[in-house]
Amino acid sequence: LAKTTQPISMDSYEGQEVNITCSHNNIATNDYITWYQQFPSQGPRFIIQGYKTKVTNEVASLFIPADRKSSTLSLPRVSLSDTAVYYCLVGPSAGKSTFGDGTTLTVKP
Amino acid sequence: GAVVSQHPSWVICKSGTSVKIECRSLDFQATTMFWYRQFPKQSLMLMATSNEGSKATYEQGVEKDKFLINHASLTLSTLTVTSAHPEDSSFYICSAPLPGAPQLTLHFGNGTRLTVT
Repeated sequence: LAKTTQPISMDSYEGQEVNITCSHNNIATNDYITWYQQFPSQGPRFIIQGYKTKVTNEVASLFIPADRKSSTLSLPRVSLSDTAVYYCLVGPSAGKSTFGDGTTLTVKP
Repeated sequence: GAVVSQHPSWVICKSGTSVKIECRSLDFQATTMFWYRQFPKQSLMLMATSNEGSKATYEQGVEKDKFLINHASLTLSTLTVTSAHPEDSSFYICSAPLPGAPQLTLHFGNGTRLTVT
């Protein structure tokens, strides 16, 4: 199982771009990289997924270098409502992947 | 879009009793669902993989006789915590893979807060 490492916490201010990096040095060929957001007392919510290079959707971008040993979630212009815990999950399936400790993002006014 | 519904959202029970938690996929079929447990300030821990029509697969250290999982239909999986004790108090969350997407694309329920007194 790919082990992931993220910063424990990050602070930002409203309107700024936030980049959260996840290290996954032992990623396997058939592993995908997926990011989730979790608010207190709620289930995680899917944000974005990628395999290589860059992926962008309406809420975030995901940057993956060629060696795939890390990935960076980019949140443009964060707001107070983006305060949450962010998890990267790496693996071929949920049954073969482990949630890391996550990054607690605090957005300040 | 695809939604996973979990019920109840919270439950309080007495020590020694059993509690059943339901996880439903509302507008898609899920042959596989996953059950997680999350303690305060901690990450999600996978407990078991629920397989429609067959036995669940439990992660190491999870007692299968204590946490009974039934996946009797393509839209419903249940987790029963038997003979609950205070140490079983936790946040239980289910998820199901999004149809047609890579298996790591999961839809999660909103969780069930279990308190055992």
